[in-house]
Amino acid sequence: DVKVTQSSRYLVKRTGEKVFLECVQDMDHENMFWYRQDPGLGLRLIYFSYDVKMKEKGDIPEGYSVSREKKERFSLILESASTNQTSMYLCASSLGGQGINQPQHFGDGTRLSIL
Amino acid sequence: GEDVEQSLFLSVREGDSSVINCTYTDSSSTYLYWYKQEPGAGLQLLTYIFSNMDMKQDQRLTVLLNKKDKHLSLRIADTQTGDSAIYFCAENNDYKLSFGAGTTVTVRA
Repeated sequence: DVKVTQSSRYLVKRTGEKVFLECVQDMDHENMFWYRQDPGLGLRLIYFSYDVKMKEKGDIPEGYSVSREKKERFSLILESASTNQTSMYLCASSLGGQGINQPQHFGDGTRLSIL
Repeated sequence: GEDVEQSLFLSVREGDSSVINCTYTDSSSTYLYWYKQEPGAGLQLLTYIFSNMDMKQDQRLTVLLNKKDKHLSLRIADTQTGDSAIYFCAENNDYKLSFGAGTTVTVRA
C-alpha cells in the first residue's frame, strides 16, 4: 500500500512566522501535490512537482512556496504566515511518466491554525 | 472546484442505497475518481473509472458515467453507518485533479 506521511496532524503558529509542512511518500512516485481544503470549497491545488527540483504553480500559489530536493519528500513553506492561511493542508502523490493519469494517494492532512 | 459540481448534503437511512451525483466540464478527462474522507482524516481513493467505460462495479459500489452529459454518479448499496463521510468527485487534467466541493453523506438509523 502507498504510504503518504505528513509530519504533523495539528500545528499552531503565529502571524508572520515562517512555517514548514513536510510530506514523505514511500512508493517512489514522481508526482507530488499540496492542496488546501476549506469547507464548501473542496480541495484547491497550491503547488505540484513532477520531478526532483521541479515545481509548478497550482490554482492558489500566492503566499506559498515549495521545495523538492529528494524524490520522496515535498515541503510546503508559508513564507510569512497569515490568518487566512488557517486551513487543512493535504499532501498527495502519484505515479508519473506513462502513468500520468494514475490516481493520487493522500496523507492524513495537517490542520494548521495561524493566530 | 468550479469545474466539478456536486450537491453538498445527502441524508440516507441505514440499509438503503445512496446515490451521489457529480457533473464535470473537461471532456478530455481520461479518468474520473471518487474519494472518501472520514472525519479528521485524509482522502481515501474509493474507485475510479476510465472514460471509455460507462459502468464499473466494485462490491457495494457502482459508478455510472454518462460521457455525453458529463455526469458521474456513485451508488452505495446497503448503506452502513461507516459510510458516513464526505465524498469527493474529481476529474483529471494532465497531472492535476479538479475536485468538487464534496457531498456530506449522513446515515441515519
